[in-house]
Amino acid sequence: GQQLNQSPQSMFIQEGEDVSMNCTSSSIFNTWLWYKQDPGEGPVLLIALYKAGELTSNGRLTAQFGITRKDSFLNISASIPSDVGIYFCAGENSGGSNYKLTFGKGTLLTVNP
Amino acid sequence: DTGVSQDPRHKITKRGQNVTFRCDPISEHNRLYWYRQTLGQGPEFLTYFQNEAQLEKSRLLSDRFSAERPKGSFSTLEIQRTEQGDSAMYLCASSARSRGIGELFFGEGSRLTVL
Repeated sequence: GQQLNQSPQSMFIQEGEDVSMNCTSSSIFNTWLWYKQDPGEGPVLLIALYKAGELTSNGRLTAQFGITRKDSFLNISASIPSDVGIYFCAGENSGGSNYKLTFGKGTLLTVNP
Repeated sequence: DTGVSQDPRHKITKRGQNVTFRCDPISEHNRLYWYRQTLGQGPEFLTYFQNEAQLEKSRLLSDRFSAERPKGSFSTLEIQRTEQGDSAMYLCASSARSRGIGELFFGEGSRLTVL
C-alpha cells in the first residue's frame, strides 16, 4: 500500500525557533495536507495544497507541495508553546472520488518555553 | 459551533465482547469517514460513506467490523467479538462536497481498550 515517510519523528526546540518537517512518498499524490493533533483530540487541518509547486501560508505556518508530487514540507516560524503536538502529513490521490487520506506517522514537536 | 461528535469517548471491554461507537457529523456534511489510530501511528482509513451509501471499505475492516449510516446523518461502527488487537482510537471525520479535497473535520475520537 501507499506509505508516507515523515521526518523527523520528533523535535525538541526552544520557544522562538523555526521548525521544519517533511514528508516523502514513493507514490504521486494530487493533494497534500498537514494536520495537527493535540493529546486526546482528533487531528485538525492546518494547510491544504492542491497544485505541484504550490506554496501556502497560514499565519506562522508555511507548506509546499513538491514539484514531483511526491513530497511536501511544513515550516513553523517563531515557535510558541502552543505549537506543541503531533504534526501529520497526509496525501490524497483518488482524484476527488472519495477524499480518502493516507497519513504519515507524525512528527512530535516539543517547545521549551 | 457544532463539530463532529463521538460517543463514547472511552470504552474498556473484555475480549470477546461487542462494542458500538456512534458518530454525529457536522450537519451539512454528506461525507463521513471512520479511521483507526494506534499509538505512534497516523490515522488509517477504515471506511467511507457518501450520504447513506457505504462506498469504500479498507482491508483493515475485517468481518467483525460493521459500519452503518442509516439515514445519511449519524453513523455507528460496531466491532463484534473484540480482540486485544482492536485496541485503538477510532476517529470519525466528515466533509462537505463544497470543501476542498482532504478537508476533513475530525471528532475527538473513541478510545477502545480491550482487556
